[in-house]
Amino acid sequence: KAGVTQTPRYLIKTRGQQVTLSCSPISGHRSVSWYQQTPGQGLQFLFEYFSETQRNKGNFPGRFSGRQFSNSRSEMNVSTLELGDSALYLCASSLDLVGNIQYFGAGTRLSVL
Amino acid sequence: EDQVTQSPEALRLQEGESSSLNCSYTVSGLRGLFWYRQDPGKGPEFLFTLYSAGEEKEKERLKATLTKKESFLHITAPKPEDSATYLCAVQDGGSSASKIIFGSGTRLSIRP
Repeated sequence: KAGVTQTPRYLIKTRGQQVTLSCSPISGHRSVSWYQQTPGQGLQFLFEYFSETQRNKGNFPGRFSGRQFSNSRSEMNVSTLELGDSALYLCASSLDLVGNIQYFGAGTRLSVL
Repeated sequence: EDQVTQSPEALRLQEGESSSLNCSYTVSGLRGLFWYRQDPGKGPEFLFTLYSAGEEKEKERLKATLTKKESFLHITAPKPEDSATYLCAVQDGGSSASKIIFGSGTRLSIRP
């Protein structure tokens, strides 16, 4: 069974640009969550999608947005990039919304110059 | 406010030297506590889920335990390949839209 796939693995952008990250969950998993990981803040929850609807949201500005498609694949978008957005962005999938084990992808390393 | 605190931040052990990692939490209602292992350049890898105080789970050299306010990850006779960052996460059961909150992790280094 294939794991969670995130693309691209690495990305370099400049301030002010926007970026879209992609996540393909494990087959059969309906929930996709996104996290930002930095050395200083650790893993911080961005948002969770289930059945194409955002079910939960962390404390991030509106520049961070996402969506989920009917096949459960998800995309995350960051507009007007700032230097502080440099981080490892992790996607996790689980069978259902709550109480289930999350399986993580390898992440997308975003560098903002 | 929900909070997860892990200690110590870093731990260096000699191969075979057993120890424990701590995860203390404050949530309005615990739906589940998760332990993950993360290797450099990779996403976290699931280890255990604990749901109620008194519960214990084991996997090879690792054993996770849960009380009402904290969880311990016991490592018995560790090997160098156990070196990694160990993350604890809790899921708040206080609302239907519960979030998962991660601790900052414990960096474990095992010397041969």
